[in-house]
Amino acid sequence: AQSVTQLGSHVSVSEGALVLLRCNYSSSVPPYLFWYVQYPNQGLQLLLKYTTGATLVKGINGFEAEFKKSETSFHLTKPSAHMSDAAEYFCAVSLEWGAGNKLTFGGGTRVLVKP
Amino acid sequence: ETGVTQTPRHLVMGMTNKKSLKCEQHLGHNAMYWYKQSAKKPLELMFVYSLEERVENNSVPSRFSPECPNSSHLFLHLHTLQPEDSALYLCASSQKQGNEQYFGPGTRLTVT
Repeated sequence: AQSVTQLGSHVSVSEGALVLLRCNYSSSVPPYLFWYVQYPNQGLQLLLKYTTGATLVKGINGFEAEFKKSETSFHLTKPSAHMSDAAEYFCAVSLEWGAGNKLTFGGGTRVLVKP
Repeated sequence: ETGVTQTPRHLVMGMTNKKSLKCEQHLGHNAMYWYKQSAKKPLELMFVYSLEERVENNSVPSRFSPECPNSSHLFLHLHTLQPEDSALYLCASSQKQGNEQYFGPGTRLTVT
């Protein structure tokens, strides 16, 4: 079984400040890990993913995430928040599964960026 | 058209109506998914199709009926819905054995 926990359903940051979104997972096998972003009234857009190899993963829009197996974490960061980063962010874990690919999502973290 | 498209983007229907949601993917993928996104609830996987065969049905009520006529198209047929079915319905696609799912913009459904 796999599960994802995102700490904090809402995060407020000032423009230019560090963005840190926390994600912890549980998985019985080495997972694939993802961060998605959802802007209002839109679908989910892939920010970045970890499969194998380098544990620090860079994504779009200046975001990056680090896979820490010992902490079962995959926290998302951005050094300097921009107003356009206001959105909801979802962490997800995946196993190779059957004929498809099953994603389990966390509950999401809504980011508010203050001027 | 590119990526994953969904129509309509917004739908208001009465409890006795019958309507259908449409999803189309232009990515050459062969697995497609329906998700339900309700306020204050995690994203819920409803159905999975792989190579046009349904491989998962997550205890979804029978008032939701999926159809996958080919690898590019996915429908969700709706009938006698309840107000609690109001939500954003998201379609996604991926490669078989692939990792990333690509999402459409969703259909905002309101049941009155």
